Amino acid sequence: DQQVKQNSPSLSVQEGRISILNCDYTNSMFDYFLWYKKYPAEGPTFLISISSIKDKNEDGRFTVFLNKSAKHLSLHIVPSQPGDSAVYFCAAEIQGAQKLVFGQGTRLTINP
Amino acid sequence: EAGVVQSPRYKIIEKKQPVAFWCNPISGHNTLYWYLQNLGQGPELLIRYENEEAVDDSQLPKDRFSAERLKGVDSTLKIQPAELGDSAVYLCASSLNGLAGGEQYFGPGTRLTVT
Repeated sequence: DQQVKQNSPSLSVQEGRISILNCDYTNSMFDYFLWYKKYPAEGPTFLISISSIKDKNEDGRFTVFLNKSAKHLSLHIVPSQPGDSAVYFCAAEIQGAQKLVFGQGTRLTINP
Repeated sequence: EAGVVQSPRYKIIEKKQPVAFWCNPISGHNTLYWYLQNLGQGPELLIRYENEEAVDDSQLPKDRFSAERLKGVDSTLKIQPAELGDSAVYLCASSLNGLAGGEQYFGPGTRLTVT
């Protein structure tokens, strides 16, 4: 039972354009959503998060949008840079459980 | 500030052998997590510690896996005996107080190969 799904295993975007990574979830008890970025041979690093009571959070080039009615969130990266090439994981925190449930990840490749 | 340290980084063992992984969390972080990451998948929680207490070990296969966090700092995760299906990356993470929506800091992981 995959509670957090990233349906695109990979995404290729040209440098300078917008990258949009998507994530769907099924559990209404999630109260926080987070995005992590992972380079090869390294552990995931935190990128940005959003509370379930908000619909948008922005941090520099990164913006996360949350659509609770659709149980969908997305990460926008503008403009995309070569250093953004990595695997991006969507994660959701179960209310009160301090436990993260991760999606399968999307490999983003930024082409020069 | 040093990050989460894990060792070894890589381990190759034969099936039925025991193996142990070690984790040193970020100083002052009282919450420690062990995750399993299979190829092409996201991390899956095995166990969570608050200080030295295991507060969530519901996903830990207790027939062969064990973990400890003595003195509420370093932690070890053990598999005995290892099976072929245990080949994966084992990630350790820590956080300050495990706050809701709080960031977890991950180590680089230990890549285990069971032959």
